[in-house]
Amino acid sequence: GEDVEQSLFLSVREGDSSVINCTYTDSSSTYLYWYKQEPGAGLQLLTYIFSNMDMKQDQRLTVLLNKKDKHLSLRIADTQTGDSAIYFCAVRMKTSYDKVIFGPGTSLSVIP
Amino acid sequence: EAGVAQSPRYKIIEKRQSVAFWCNPISGHATLYWYQQILGQGPKLLIQFQNNGVVDDSQLPKDRFSAERLKGVDSTLKIQPAKLEDSAVYLCASSTRGTGGYYGYTFGSGTRLTVV
Repeated sequence: GEDVEQSLFLSVREGDSSVINCTYTDSSSTYLYWYKQEPGAGLQLLTYIFSNMDMKQDQRLTVLLNKKDKHLSLRIADTQTGDSAIYFCAVRMKTSYDKVIFGPGTSLSVIP
Repeated sequence: EAGVAQSPRYKIIEKRQSVAFWCNPISGHATLYWYQQILGQGPKLLIQFQNNGVVDDSQLPKDRFSAERLKGVDSTLKIQPAKLEDSAVYLCASSTRGTGGYYGYTFGSGTRLTVV
């Protein structure tokens, strides 16, 4: 079945760049998303990319999509302590009801 | 716009008891989702409504979980009887189609259920 994989933990120093990676199995994906979850909160949509794009930049966030390898990444420039959270990759499949599958999440720790 | 409202925020029950969660989506959002998020895992879709109708409930344990969406607006998710493994955060989300074909989700803060 469909699967979305992420590394579970990432630790970076404040001011450095963070790169969070995601791989997925479904080749019919339409939209791919990155969500952020802070402790005790719901998921907040950070950014998304359509499957016919290679890259999308939004302020400190850069999303790269390699559709051939089914690999998605999120780069956070100048990482701040407020970026510490869990980041979820999610993939929308091309079905009659647009099913979305979430990865397990990557816990980002920013060291001051 | 107001966000997705969920209640209660926390619930502790004993196993074999029943529990219900409520969700009020963003006004005008036709699609409503219930997700189960077990600690350390990503959200898993339990059920998806399009207006009043169910479009996907393939991962809903129907022997104990039920959900309804009244008049295409509010929704309730019920567990009866609860098991220890139902301890999780239950997230409600809603979405609508954008003019560019983008379907964004807005999540509520979730209900944290602990079954003891």
